[in-house]
Amino acid sequence: KNEVEQSPQNLTAQEGEFITINCSYSVGISALHWLQQHPGGGIVSLFMLSSGKKKHGRLIATINIQEKHSSLHITASHPRDSAVYICAVRKVPGINTPLVFGKGTRLSVIA
Amino acid sequence: DGGITQSPKYLFRKEGQNVTLSCEQNLNHDAMYWYRQDPGQGLRLIYYSQIVNDFQKGDIAEGYSVSREKKESFPLTVTSAQKNPTAFYLCASSKGRQSVNTEAFFGQGTRLTVV
Repeated sequence: KNEVEQSPQNLTAQEGEFITINCSYSVGISALHWLQQHPGGGIVSLFMLSSGKKKHGRLIATINIQEKHSSLHITASHPRDSAVYICAVRKVPGINTPLVFGKGTRLSVIA
Repeated sequence: DGGITQSPKYLFRKEGQNVTLSCEQNLNHDAMYWYRQDPGQGLRLIYYSQIVNDFQKGDIAEGYSVSREKKESFPLTVTSAQKNPTAFYLCASSKGRQSVNTEAFFGQGTRLTVV
C-alpha cells in the first residue's frame, strides 16, 4: 500500500466550480507539500504545511494531523488551473529526508 | 534568478549506451535529489545527496550512478544496466541540514527515450 494516497485520480470541472483534492498518508510526517505539475513537466511548489490552513490567491490547503489527511481547494476554477496536483510528505525525522509522493490528481477545467 | 537547471529537456539514446543527465542549482542548497516519473506512478527516488561528496541510494537506485563533487551540481548517469530507462527524470533541491522543514525546488525535467 502506498504511504501517500490521493483522490480522485482524475477530475474534470467546469470553469468557476469549487474543486477539492484529497490526500491521505499513513506515516508520521514533519510536513506535507502540495505541488503543481504542468504539461511541460516542471513542478512548482504550492504549499508546505505542518498544521492548520494556508491560503494563496484562489488556492487553500488544509491539514488534519490527527486524521492524517490534507485537502487542496481551488475556488472559482479556471482553465489555467488544469494541471496535475501532487501531494508529498516529508517523513520524520524530517531533516532533508526525501519527499514521498502521491500519484497525483489530473485536473481539467473546461471553459 | 535562482533556480534549478536540468539539461537537456529531451534526450534520445540507443539501448546499451550510458547517458548523463545534468542538474545545476544556484540556490546555495545543500541537499539535492533525483526522481523518476513514469505514467500513472508517483515520483520515485533514485538518489539523493545531503552534502558535497556524500550521497545515498533511494528506492530505485539500481542501474543509476551519481556524483556530488560540487555543491551546485548533481549529475545522474543512466547506465546500460538500467533495464527500463525510458522515463521522465526530475531533479530537486532543498536547504541544508539545519532546516527541518524546507521547501523543495524542482527543475523542468529531462525526458529520456531509449531506442
